[in-house]
Amino acid sequence: EDKVVQSPLSLVVHEGDTVTLNCSYEVTNFRSLLWYKQEKKAPTFLFMLTSSGIEKKSGRLSSILDKKELFSILNITATQTGDSAIYLCACTGNTGKLIFGQGTTLQVKP
Amino acid sequence: EAGVAQSPRYKIIEKRQSVAFWCNPISGHATLYWYQQILGQGPKLLIQFQNNGVVDDSQLPKDRFSAERLKGVDSTLKIQPAKLEDSAVYLCASSLDRGAGELFFGEGSRLTVL
Repeated sequence: EDKVVQSPLSLVVHEGDTVTLNCSYEVTNFRSLLWYKQEKKAPTFLFMLTSSGIEKKSGRLSSILDKKELFSILNITATQTGDSAIYLCACTGNTGKLIFGQGTTLQVKP
Repeated sequence: EAGVAQSPRYKIIEKRQSVAFWCNPISGHATLYWYQQILGQGPKLLIQFQNNGVVDDSQLPKDRFSAERLKGVDSTLKIQPAKLEDSAVYLCASSLDRGAGELFFGEGSRLTVL
């Protein structure tokens, strides 16, 4: 059965800290890995990764995929209170459906 | 470009009652998904449509849940009869096509079953 596992499940940091969120997967016919940020409503898209070793970057957020070891990390540098959210990792196979992990709840304290 | 529209945003019902949720995907998106997100968990796929056909409904509790997308555009998800454990946010998402990668989510419909 396909599965996506995220760690840690929750994290509390202070503003300015750097955090690393982990996502490992076992997905048949893996095609892509996506990161979403979820505040109080719908998940919003952050990154889609398809190739190993190529870092995707957007401001203070970056992510990389390792297809050999079957994992991805999401880094957030100089965290702000607005980064507090649930971060969801999801993978697709060739059917297109997203298989989500449990999410990592990040709380950034001032 | 209009996003994925869902209604109602909130619904409170008693167990054994029925409820229906509606979703209108982004125009031109062939693939539509219904996800169930229970508090503290990641979203779980209930059903995936490609145009008006079902691609995957393996995790849909078919004794009480049903969904349709008759004209290949908007979709309805129904629960009848509801159980306490159905309390969750029901997220609709759409994508251009299967395997297109990014899914676009609606705001969700929050169901509370008392």
